[in-house]
Amino acid sequence: AAGVIQSPRHLIKEKRETATLKCYPIPRHDTVYWYQQGPGQDPQFLISFYEKMQSDKGSIPDRFSAQQFSDYHSELNMSSLELGDSALYFCASSTGVPLESYNEQFFGPGTRLTVL
Amino acid sequence: AQKITQTQPGMFVQEKEAVTLDCTYDTSDPSYGLFWYKQPSSGEMIFLIYQGSYDQQNATEGRYSLNFQKARKSANLVISASQLGDSAMYFCAMCSETSGSRLTFGEGTQLTVNP
Repeated sequence: AAGVIQSPRHLIKEKRETATLKCYPIPRHDTVYWYQQGPGQDPQFLISFYEKMQSDKGSIPDRFSAQQFSDYHSELNMSSLELGDSALYFCASSTGVPLESYNEQFFGPGTRLTVL
Repeated sequence: AQKITQTQPGMFVQEKEAVTLDCTYDTSDPSYGLFWYKQPSSGEMIFLIYQGSYDQQNATEGRYSLNFQKARKSANLVISASQLGDSAMYFCAMCSETSGSRLTFGEGTQLTVNP
C-alpha cells in the first residue's frame, strides 16, 4: 500500500540558511499534518491543512511557513535556521475533516534536519 | 488543554511474554480519541491501535490490545507474545473535541524485548 512520502530524508544546513521539506500524502488523503520531534522528545504538532487551507496551528515558529498545494502535497519552509531547529520532522496524512473526526494519522518516515 | 502521561521511561520483557505499557490522559472533553504509535530506532512512526471515547469495547489489532478504563482515564497498551522486533519506543497520543485532529503525545516508553 502507498505510504506518506517525505523528502529529503536527511538534510544538513548551516545556521541562518533556509530549508524546504516536502510531503506527499497517501492518495485520496486530504489532510496533512506537520510535527517536530526534537532529540529524545515526543512529537510536537506544528500545523495542519485540509483541502489546501490551513486547518489548525500549533507551536510553529514565525520563521516557518507551510502550505498545501492543489495535488495535496505540502511543503514546510523554514528560514533563518537555528541550532534548536535540528529535529525529525514528520508529515502525517489522514482523511476526514479536522476538528470533526479522529481518523488515524499515517506518518511518513520523517526528514531529519541537522543545523550546524 | 489535554495531557498524556506515560510513567514508564523504560520497560523490559522476555520474548513470548505479554507486556503492558501504561498511559493516562487528562481532558475535559467528553469526545476524544486515543492512539498508540511505535517508533523503532530507524525513526518512523507506526500506527498501532485506536480507541474512541465512546467505544464500548476495547480495541484490538492482532497482538495489540488497548485496555481502556474511562473512569480512570487510562488507555494501557497490551502486547501479547512479545517478539524481538517489538523493541522500540512506544507513544500514547490523543486528540479531543476542542483540539481537533492534532495529536498530543506522551513522553514515550522504551520497550526492550530480551531473547
